[in-house]
Amino acid sequence: EAAVTQSPRNKVAVTGGKVTLSCNQTNNHNNMYWYRQDTGHGLRLIHYSYGAGSTEKGDIPDGYKASRPSQENFSLILELATPSQTSVYFCASGAPLRGYAEQFFGPGTRLTVL
Amino acid sequence: GDSVTQTEGLVTVTEGLPVMLNCTYQTAYSDVAFFWYVQYLNEAPKLLLRSSTDNKRTEHQGFHATLHKSSSSFHLQKSSVQLSDSALYYCALRVNSGGSNAKLTFGKGTKLSVKS
Repeated sequence: EAAVTQSPRNKVAVTGGKVTLSCNQTNNHNNMYWYRQDTGHGLRLIHYSYGAGSTEKGDIPDGYKASRPSQENFSLILELATPSQTSVYFCASGAPLRGYAEQFFGPGTRLTVL
Repeated sequence: GDSVTQTEGLVTVTEGLPVMLNCTYQTAYSDVAFFWYVQYLNEAPKLLLRSSTDNKRTEHQGFHATLHKSSSSFHLQKSSVQLSDSALYYCALRVNSGGSNAKLTFGKGTKLSVKS
């Protein structure tokens, strides 16, 4: 069974503070992804990575940075957190295969920025 | 760019009745794959079913969907819903445009509420 874990599971931050969300996967997948989930918007891709050392901008990258130091770990960094970044964040991993390759999601991190 | 449209934000159905969740898409590419993900309350999204073959019915856990490229649709259906089917359902598109890109484009999701 694919395994993606996220930490912390819940986070309260102050406006202007720095927030780091961490993700670890034991699937040995090359690709990893960060999404945010908001009611009325669904899942939106923030950043993704093809492998260690690579990061790519997704559809809504503004205000976020990403870091992929190893195959297993992928972090999402909010340098200056704002209340508009209050959301649930999901990390996912996936194999770089064509066609049917699915993405496996972590349990999510609920971030509240006050 | 690519887009996925789920027209219903909320669908309420009585237990035992059929349901169809709509999904249409726009893309300039012909080599595509489609997915339905289901997310139960306070859980992560997980794959329900997938397809990349035009006009072929795909089934899983009592749900089925058929990709119709002629109408750009991949609707999700079930003939008899159960209370346990209450969840958020996402339709997603993957374009196979070469390289190792494996991005999914998600719709906004449809919440299915099954009542007794």
